[in-house]
Amino acid sequence: QQQVRQSPQSLTVWEGETAILNCSYEDSTFDYFPWYWQFPRESPALLIAIRPVSNKKEDGRFTIFFNKREKKLSLHITDSQPGDSATYFCAASPSGSWQLIFGSGTQLTVMP
Amino acid sequence: EAAVTQSPRNKVTVTGGNVTLSCRQTNSHNYMYWYRQDTGHGLRLIHYSYGAGNLQIGDVPDGYKATRTTQEDFFLLLELASPSQTSLYFCASSETDQDTQYFGPGTRLLVL
Repeated sequence: QQQVRQSPQSLTVWEGETAILNCSYEDSTFDYFPWYWQFPRESPALLIAIRPVSNKKEDGRFTIFFNKREKKLSLHITDSQPGDSATYFCAASPSGSWQLIFGSGTQLTVMP
Repeated sequence: EAAVTQSPRNKVTVTGGNVTLSCRQTNSHNYMYWYRQDTGHGLRLIHYSYGAGNLQIGDVPDGYKATRTTQEDFFLLLELASPSQTSLYFCASSETDQDTQYFGPGTRLLVL
């Protein structure tokens, strides 16, 4: 079964620190990797996404690092803010597919 | 911003009951999805659709039927609800495959 794994399950950092969220996958046909975030009592929303033609995607304080050979990616949040506290989902989509396969999420808490 | 609405927002039913969850998107998106969200599992795809009359089976389809009556409307049907179907259900839509998915506010279902 296609799987996307995330670690850690929960993470607490102090304001201003860099939070690192990890994701790995098994299927080499995956070619689209979005990260969604979800605030308490809200719906998931797209944060940032990457395709394997790149090994890095940056959007402000949020950066995805992608290692195709090891089938791993990570989301780095620099200068973390309390407003970044949310659950972050890594997802993956096989080539030519409509499907998104989500990981189980990392709950990030940023302490002021 | 894409608009996806869901109804009802909360639903309580008994085991064996009949439930219909409704989703409407007003952005002429072709793709629509039904997910369930449970602690520890992230988002799991139940059914998805490309256009009116089209239906594709997702990863956890057992016990669920779906119907796409128009480009805007996508319904999820539980004909014999079971307590294992107690969950938070999200509908989403996207313009193309491997594109941003816009989520509705969710329906919280409790099966007693």
